[in-house]
Amino acid sequence: DGGITQSPKYLFRKEGQNVTLSCEQNLNHDAMYWYRQDPGQGLRLIYYSQIVNDFQKGDIAEGYSVSREKKESFPLTVTSAQKNPTAFYLCASIPGSAPGELFFGEGSRLTVL
Amino acid sequence: GQSLEQPSEVTAVEGAIVQINCTYQTSGFYGLSWYQQHDGGAPTFLSYNALDGLEETGRFSSFLSRSDSYGYLLLQELQMKDSASYFCAVTDNYGQNFVFGPGTRLSVLP
Repeated sequence: DGGITQSPKYLFRKEGQNVTLSCEQNLNHDAMYWYRQDPGQGLRLIYYSQIVNDFQKGDIAEGYSVSREKKESFPLTVTSAQKNPTAFYLCASIPGSAPGELFFGEGSRLTVL
Repeated sequence: GQSLEQPSEVTAVEGAIVQINCTYQTSGFYGLSWYQQHDGGAPTFLSYNALDGLEETGRFSSFLSRSDSYGYLLLQELQMKDSASYFCAVTDNYGQNFVFGPGTRLSVLP
């Protein structure tokens, strides 16, 4: 079945370490997104990409980096520069034919020890 | 910039009807969508409005008034499984950039 796969589901990291969260989709969607969600809060946009080899910063891009070398893949790196990285990270994509309908992965929960 | 407002919590009983409001201030507007998120899970799409009026999908309906920068999600015949957080989201003029509201936590009581 088509969908978005995020891994790992749970991740623990020591302060000062970079970590990369994987996001793969087989929906043939062009646009992909990374959101951060803190407990009891809404979703905040980190980065998004509309086509391969192109991406734009969202509202909270500082301390994060992304790449989009393939249409199917949009990994997110949480760098040591991100001051408070403990959060729930959600990857999403959108089909061009269904405006407003974001498809989400199951999320990756990052905890910094 | 863009900002959205929703009530933080709503409580209702099984079988009742509940309305969750969303007001927005945006520099550009393409449409308003609604998502449901259960604790620990990912958001799932419920409905989308680009034009004024009511969209109905089963027990859920969504309304938009562009002139008032206002929309709502209407949930009918509430069930226990409807207990979740509900988010409205605005897309910009290009329909590709989504901004989410803070979410409304709905508790359905027996």
